[in-house]
Amino acid sequence: GQQLNQSPQSMFIQEGEDVSMNCTSSSIFNTWLWYKQDPGEGPVLLIALYKAGELTSNGRLTAQFGITRKDSFLNISASIPSDVGIYFCAGPSFPTSGTYKYIFGTGTRLKVLA
Amino acid sequence: EAQVTQNPRYLITVTGKKLTVTCSQNMNHEYMSWYRQDPGLGLRQIYYSMNVEVTDKGDVPEGYKVSRKEKRNFPLILESPSPNQTSLYFCASSRRGAWDAFFGQGTRLTVV
Repeated sequence: GQQLNQSPQSMFIQEGEDVSMNCTSSSIFNTWLWYKQDPGEGPVLLIALYKAGELTSNGRLTAQFGITRKDSFLNISASIPSDVGIYFCAGPSFPTSGTYKYIFGTGTRLKVLA
Repeated sequence: EAQVTQNPRYLITVTGKKLTVTCSQNMNHEYMSWYRQDPGLGLRQIYYSMNVEVTDKGDVPEGYKVSRKEKRNFPLILESPSPNQTSLYFCASSRRGAWDAFFGQGTRLTVV
């Protein structure tokens, strides 16, 4: 089945640094989603991307929909301690006409050192 | 307040003892789903439901059952839990065709 691989798997960074992570797929996605999971909570949607090449920002976060439609990137600028958590990419898959399911990536765990 | 509510938050049980994890949403969403989260594997979809009385298998449905008798509720049933079902479980809901899924706070299940 479809899989989404994220890298890096985890990262430690200093407060104030910029962060980059990516998500790759073996097949094409028409929508890319980025979620963040705070410790002890469920994931929350950060950014949704709908078109190849699209670049979308949400505060200090910027995400890009790769032009091949098989990858997506998330950047965080000037990281702060509350950026700590797990970042997931996700996309919808359409197993049959009229139905869809979500495929989530393996996650990137971010830890910020003050 | 718009929310997805799961119960219980924590559960320790023994192998083979049937259990149900409840999920309820107050947003009138058509789409509901269950996931399990395991280290290094991310979130994997167990079952999903496009609407009342419509359910489909996700990527890891073995050992689980679901039902969707009402729009707001989507319980996850483990008829005979086994230790490999020890995991963190999330329920989520969304409007049909809208990609912003709302997640519950999770249920940490341990099967001994």
